[in-house]
Amino acid sequence: QLQLRESGPGLVKPSETLSLTCTVSGGSITTDYYYWGWIRQPPGKGLEWVASVYYSGTAYYNPSLKSRVTISVDTSRNQFSLKLTSVTATDTSLYYCARLHTSGSPDSWGQGTLVSVSS
Amino acid sequence: QTVVTQEPSFSVSPGGTVTLTCGLTPGSVSTTFYPSWYQQTPGQPPRTLIYNTNIRSSGVPHRFSGSILGNRAALTITGAQADDECDYYCVLYMGSGISVFGGGTKLTVL
Repeated sequence: QLQLRESGPGLVKPSETLSLTCTVSGGSITTDYYYWGWIRQPPGKGLEWVASVYYSGTAYYNPSLKSRVTISVDTSRNQFSLKLTSVTATDTSLYYCARLHTSGSPDSWGQGTLVSVSS
Repeated sequence: QTVVTQEPSFSVSPGGTVTLTCGLTPGSVSTTFYPSWYQQTPGQPPRTLIYNTNIRSSGVPHRFSGSILGNRAALTITGAQADDECDYYCVLYMGSGISVFGGGTKLTVL
């Protein structure tokens, strides 16, 4: 059974870089026809797609975040990662990693990790 | 700017049928947007209900169904149960790897 697990610091200072990693188990990240991505949810608010990556390294970004976001994949470790630069309090969110169909719909989700931006 | 719209809230009686919708401003939703639907209870990650308009995810009861109604995607819950009371989100695929979530609908069963 596919499992995804997020890891990374739970607290980041304003203007610094948020870094998260998702470890995939129970399946290969090199599976055809699936992307791997990050979705976030501010406390008490809705979901927002952040970025997706194919195992080849091809990446796609939310236009509103594109200038600050980098997503990458490490097939040797079955992991993918997110970096978000110049964070502010509005980046405080529960960050989920997910597997997405090539049609853009997430089908498997991690449990999520809360990242707070505060000095 | 493209906005995916959902009803902020909806209520249904136990045993009743409810249809939640997902629209696009500007524009209209069709199968080419591969609409998908998610259920989220407090403190839990979203659960995938429907993808590619009307394909039920593994383990999802048949009382959840997806369709296109007019110019919107729709999620219909038939025979609503108390534990259906939670938040529902739709996602539309805009092409070029970009997905957009709707704002979510809070469903009340009473």
